[in-house]
Amino acid sequence: DIVMTQSPDSLAVSLGERATINCKSSQSVLYNSNNKNYLAWYQQKPGQPPKMLIYWASTRESGVPDRFSGSGSGTDFTLTISSLQAEDVAVYYCQQYYTTPAFGQGTKVEI
Amino acid sequence: EVHLVESGGALVQPGGSLRLSCAASKFTFSIYAMTWVRQAPGKGLEWVSAISATGVSTYYADSVRGRFTISRDNSKNTLYLQMNSLRAEDTALYYCAKLTSPEVWLSRSDFWGQGALVTVSS
Repeated sequence: DIVMTQSPDSLAVSLGERATINCKSSQSVLYNSNNKNYLAWYQQKPGQPPKMLIYWASTRESGVPDRFSGSGSGTDFTLTISSLQAEDVAVYYCQQYYTTPAFGQGTKVEI
Repeated sequence: EVHLVESGGALVQPGGSLRLSCAASKFTFSIYAMTWVRQAPGKGLEWVSAISATGVSTYYADSVRGRFTISRDNSKNTLYLQMNSLRAEDTALYYCAKLTSPEVWLSRSDFWGQGALVTVSS
């Protein structure tokens, strides 16, 4: 099974500053037949279910602000919040859906 | 927008059984695969099980295989999770989620319910 590891476990960022979260998979999640990375990012606010932000590693879900961006390929991925807003305080998870789905352990973003 | 409502969560003794339901609306339930994901109190997300749109193909995490059974009734727009031989470590909030294609693999979860709480304790 593919294991997903996120870093850091938590980070504190000032309002308006950049937040960067890393995610590493134990095996490549790049599907060679279509050159897509089967990697998604979710945001979970307290008391709420997860909300998908990014899929195929870098495609923003409809309605997601453009301050959220995803990058990376193969085994190494990054979620960047370009200018942190108060409403972005949450736990962020990466997930691979290339094989049996697996989530990273989560990264808590605080101000 | 897609609407998913879980029900059936409860306090149950170790070794007991429980069936969760997930009522789906505002989308064509019968053409999408579905999945269950759980979250233990204060912990991260753990994939539990998934089922194809037709119900023919089912998949389980090692931690629940042989104890849990996923099923669906497309005539009732409802997803189920039958949980037997429950253990303390099964205590969690159980989310149902819609996948983005009829098949489970290479398919992501785009909409989630609010969750049903299962507590396994004597």
